[in-house]
Amino acid sequence: EVQLVESGGVVVQPGGSLRLSCAASGFTFDDYTMHWVRQAPGKGLEWVSLISWDGGSTYYADSVKGRFTISRDNSKNSLYLQMNSLRTEDTALYYCAKRVSPSHAFDIWGQGTMVTVSS
Amino acid sequence: QSALTQPASVSGSPGQSITISCTGTSSDVGGYNYVSWYQQHPGKAPKLMIYDVSNRPSGVSNRFSGSKSGNTASLTISGLQAEDEADYYCSSYTSSSPPWVFGGGTKLTVL
Repeated sequence: EVQLVESGGVVVQPGGSLRLSCAASGFTFDDYTMHWVRQAPGKGLEWVSLISWDGGSTYYADSVKGRFTISRDNSKNSLYLQMNSLRTEDTALYYCAKRVSPSHAFDIWGQGTMVTVSS
Repeated sequence: QSALTQPASVSGSPGQSITISCTGTSSDVGGYNYVSWYQQHPGKAPKLMIYDVSNRPSGVSNRFSGSKSGNTASLTISGLQAEDEADYYCSSYTSSSPPWVFGGGTKLTVL
């Protein structure tokens, strides 16, 4: 079964740091670009970041640029999001998602991990 | 404010057809055939329903169809069923930053 499972979401204070993980299974992980997408409570979807299949290319939304770092370990079939200098507006459910190749859509999503930034 | 504009809500009765619009610009919807649509039920992850404007992934009902004209894409659901009640989001690849944008979402109510 093709599956993505996120973990690492917790309650953290403003200015704090956190690392999210996404474990992939059921497909050849290192064939695909991977993304993080977030959803604030009661709000819509917001694209956050992507990393190419080999980790050689990364892109970020302006709202997280310079604070978040995406990475992957293909030997462990895992995707990561290092989140620093967290703000209250980063509070959201964070999804990892797999790109449909060669298109530009997201065909597999995890169940999400909740990050709450609050004092 | 979302980059792509969708109506906040639409509704229809079982068996009817509805269409959800998604309006962008020539830098996103109008410039690429990379519009996708996602269905999200409460408390669940989004599910891909349409990609590349009009393609359905395996397993998605043929009651769902997509199209595009200029800077506006559309999702049409025919033969509405109670299980179609959900939030729907459009997304597009863009030539600007960020490279992907979503619409604000449309809540579909099946009356």
